[in-house]
Amino acid sequence: GAVVSQHPSWVICKSGTSVKIECRSLDFQATTMFWYRQFPKQSLMLMATSNEGSKATYEQGVEKDKFLINHASLTLSTLTVTSAHPEDSSFYICSAPSLLAVDYEQYFGPGTRLTVT
Amino acid sequence: AQSVTQLGSHVSVSEGALVLLRCNYSSSVPPYLFWYVQYPNQGLQLLLKYTTGATLVKGINGFEAEFKKSETSFHLTKPSAHMSDAAEYFCAVRGNYGQNFVFGPGTRLSVLP
Repeated sequence: GAVVSQHPSWVICKSGTSVKIECRSLDFQATTMFWYRQFPKQSLMLMATSNEGSKATYEQGVEKDKFLINHASLTLSTLTVTSAHPEDSSFYICSAPSLLAVDYEQYFGPGTRLTVT
Repeated sequence: AQSVTQLGSHVSVSEGALVLLRCNYSSSVPPYLFWYVQYPNQGLQLLLKYTTGATLVKGINGFEAEFKKSETSFHLTKPSAHMSDAAEYFCAVRGNYGQNFVFGPGTRLSVLP
């Protein structure tokens, strides 16, 4: 099956700094990728849709200037958390949809645990 | 807009007992439904999915789910729980008009020896 990787798997940063999370589709091309956030003991909430070659689409309530998304190639999307604060500490998961019309699946990355101190 | 509810944030069963995790959805279009399992600090693993066709779908690790349109449900079952089934389970719906998924709140399954 298709594989999506994320790097790093966990990161600790100081409040006020920025951190970049990479999401890669390893064996397929992804014109669209999704970024989710998962707080402890909660479900996944869609943050934004990353579109290759165009601007990302953000969900209501998600700050565009704080969560910068760049989808520079068909296999890479990055999420940069700028001026991170402790409340940004969360588990960030990316996914890419299958390109097969009859599949309807999304392939999820293993997630990145962000801790802001 | 689609939504998913999962009755019971925490379910405990004894090893060898039946597992039943409930999922109800709301969708204005024919839904595509999924069950995922998540182990601590890991991503999501697909258990099974319903898109079209047979309403009883079988997945990995002995799990199955039945799509019941009249009840807007997609409950997950497994005849005999194993200790390794202890994890968080998420039901998700994908609508025809978008590719993103809407997830339920999740159900934590505990398996008691």
